[in-house]
Amino acid sequence: GQNIDQPTEMTATEGAIVQINCTYQTSGFNGLFWYQQHAGEAPTFLSYNVLDGLEEKGRFSSFLSRSKGYSYLLLKELQMKDSASYLCAVSDFNKFYFGSGTKLNVKP
Amino acid sequence: EAGVTQFPSHSVIEKGQTVTLRCDPISGHDNLYWYRRVMGKEIKFLLHFVKESKQDESGMPNNRFLAERTGGTYSTLKVQPAELEDSGVYFCASSRDQGTNSPLHFGNGTRLTVT
Repeated sequence: GQNIDQPTEMTATEGAIVQINCTYQTSGFNGLFWYQQHAGEAPTFLSYNVLDGLEEKGRFSSFLSRSKGYSYLLLKELQMKDSASYLCAVSDFNKFYFGSGTKLNVKP
Repeated sequence: EAGVTQFPSHSVIEKGQTVTLRCDPISGHDNLYWYRRVMGKEIKFLLHFVKESKQDESGMPNNRFLAERTGGTYSTLKVQPAELEDSGVYFCASSRDQGTNSPLHFGNGTRLTVT
């Protein structure tokens, strides 16, 4: 079956750096996505990795290791508005599989 | 461009009643997906349309759920009759390309509560 694991909740301080990990086991792999979801709103696309390595996009970076079935999302210079749930999703050519999401609490 | 829109945003119905959810994808997006998130669990796939055709409906829980996309534009998801376990947030998403290396654009979801 498909399995995607990420921590349920994390807390970090404004201005700090936080790393949200995601491990996955899927029958196929065609890319890994990270989404941000504020309460009551739609998940919004943050990043996409299909090859091993680091993808940087402003304050957000995402890393992928296909051999380890592992990814992380790195958020730098945390802001209060970064408080949200972060969803890891894996596509296997046919459909997307989502993790349960990591709720990030940013404190002053 | 306008995003994916869903209606209603909230729906509270009694067990045994019928509810119809609507999704308007981003214009030009042939791929339309329905997902559901039950409280505390992950977002789970329900089905995938390419234009008006059902590409994959393997995630539909049972025959009480019926999805349509007549004309290949907006889609409806009907639950009839609703059961308590159908409560959750139903998300619609669309994408331009068929391959799963294109990000999904999500609507805000419909929060369904069955009492």
